[in-house]
Amino acid sequence: KAGVTQTPRYLIKTRGQQVTLSCSPISGHRSVSWYQQTPGQGLQFLFEYFSETQRNKGNFPGRFSGRQFSNSRSEMNVSTLELGDSALYLCASSFSGLSNQPQHFGDGTRLSIL
Amino acid sequence: DQQVKQNSPSLSVQEGRISILNCDYTNSMFDYFLWYKKYPAEGPTFLISISSIKDKNEDGRFTVFLNKSAKHLSLHIVPSQPGDSAVYFCAASALDTDKLIFGTGTRLQVFP
Repeated sequence: KAGVTQTPRYLIKTRGQQVTLSCSPISGHRSVSWYQQTPGQGLQFLFEYFSETQRNKGNFPGRFSGRQFSNSRSEMNVSTLELGDSALYLCASSFSGLSNQPQHFGDGTRLSIL
Repeated sequence: DQQVKQNSPSLSVQEGRISILNCDYTNSMFDYFLWYKKYPAEGPTFLISISSIKDKNEDGRFTVFLNKSAKHLSLHIVPSQPGDSAVYFCAASALDTDKLIFGTGTRLQVFP
């Protein structure tokens, strides 16, 4: 069974640009969550999508947005990139998004802002 | 406000001995707790979880203990192996949400 797939694995951008990251969940999983990992802050929750609807949102500015398609694949977009957006962005999927089911993570997209 | 805390940034244990990783939380609404292991350049890998209706869950060498009154959970690894060397994150979520709140991680090193 294929795991969570994130593309691209690495990305270099400059300040002010925008970026789109992609996540394909495990087949059959309908909930997709996004996290940002930085050395100082650990893993921080960005948002969660279920059946193409955003169900939960973390404390990130509006420059961070996402969407989910009918096949459960999800994209995350960051506009007007800042140096502080350099991080590992992780996507996780679960079957239904209920709290008693573990999320399974992809290997992440490493975003570097110059 | 750090709702999930892992106060030990690192832990070093000899192979064959027990590793005990600790985690504290502040939000009494959390009802599901998980441990993840993370190697460099990889995403976190789910290890074991526990629901708030239990106080212990065991899976092979891994056992998680939950003390609700103390808002504390721990992960025991017995016996520890060099391949267990990784960063371990505890995470918590509240009922009917997929929002995981993570601790800052504990780096475990198992030496021969």
